[in-house]
Amino acid sequence: GENVEQHPSTLSVQEGDSAVIKCTYSDSASNYFPWYKQELGKRPQLIIDIRSNVGEKKDQRIAVTLNKTAKHFSLHITETQPEDSAVYFCAAPQEKLTFGTGTRLTIIP
Amino acid sequence: EAQVTQNPRYLITVTGKKLTVTCSQNMNHEYMSWYRQDPGLGLRQIYYSMNVEVTDKGDVPEGYKVSRKEKRNFPLILESPSPNQTSLYFCASSPLLRAIEETQYFGPGTRLLVL
Repeated sequence: GENVEQHPSTLSVQEGDSAVIKCTYSDSASNYFPWYKQELGKRPQLIIDIRSNVGEKKDQRIAVTLNKTAKHFSLHITETQPEDSAVYFCAAPQEKLTFGTGTRLTIIP
Repeated sequence: EAQVTQNPRYLITVTGKKLTVTCSQNMNHEYMSWYRQDPGLGLRQIYYSMNVEVTDKGDVPEGYKVSRKEKRNFPLILESPSPNQTSLYFCASSPLLRAIEETQYFGPGTRLLVL
C-alpha cells in the first residue's frame, strides 16, 4: 500500500548545530505535508506544515522544504536547543493520513 | 479550552477482558480517529469517523471496534484484548473540510498493558 518513509530514525546533534529529517511519500496526489513533534510522555503536536503550492515554509528556527517531483519533504531545525529534543513525525495524505515511523532527535549540550 | 480528552490514561488488564477507552472533543470536529503508537512503527491508524454513525477501518483495525453515536465522542472498544494490543493509543480529531489535510489534534494518550 501507500507509505511514508522517514529517515533517520535517530539523530544526535550538538546544541547550536542544524538538524534535518527527510520523508518520502508515494502518492503523487498528496498536497499537504505536516510535521508533528512529540515530547517525552506527551501527545504529538503540529509544529509546521506545507501545502504543495509552495516549495518552502519557515517559522523562526524551523522550516520545511518540499520537492514534489522527487516526492520528498524535509524538516530543518537551525540553531538547535535542548528543548528541540523530541520525536518528530512527518505525515502525508495517502487515501488516509499516513505517518512516518518517527525520528528521535537528541540535542547534545 | 479546546481539547481532546481520553480516559483512562493508563490501564492494565488481562487477556480477554473487554475494555473501552473513551475519547471526547469539544471543538465540534467532524473527523475523529484512533491511532496506536509502537516503537519503530510510528503512528498507525486503527479506525476513523467522518461524522456521526460513519466509521471506517484504518490500517490496523483487527481486534478493535468503534462507535460514533454523538459528534463529540468516539470510544475505542477492545472486545477480547490480547497481549499484542499492548500499546500507546491516541485519539485525534480535526475539522472535516478535507480532514486528512487539516491539523490533527491529539488526545493525551492511553497506555495499555494487556497481560
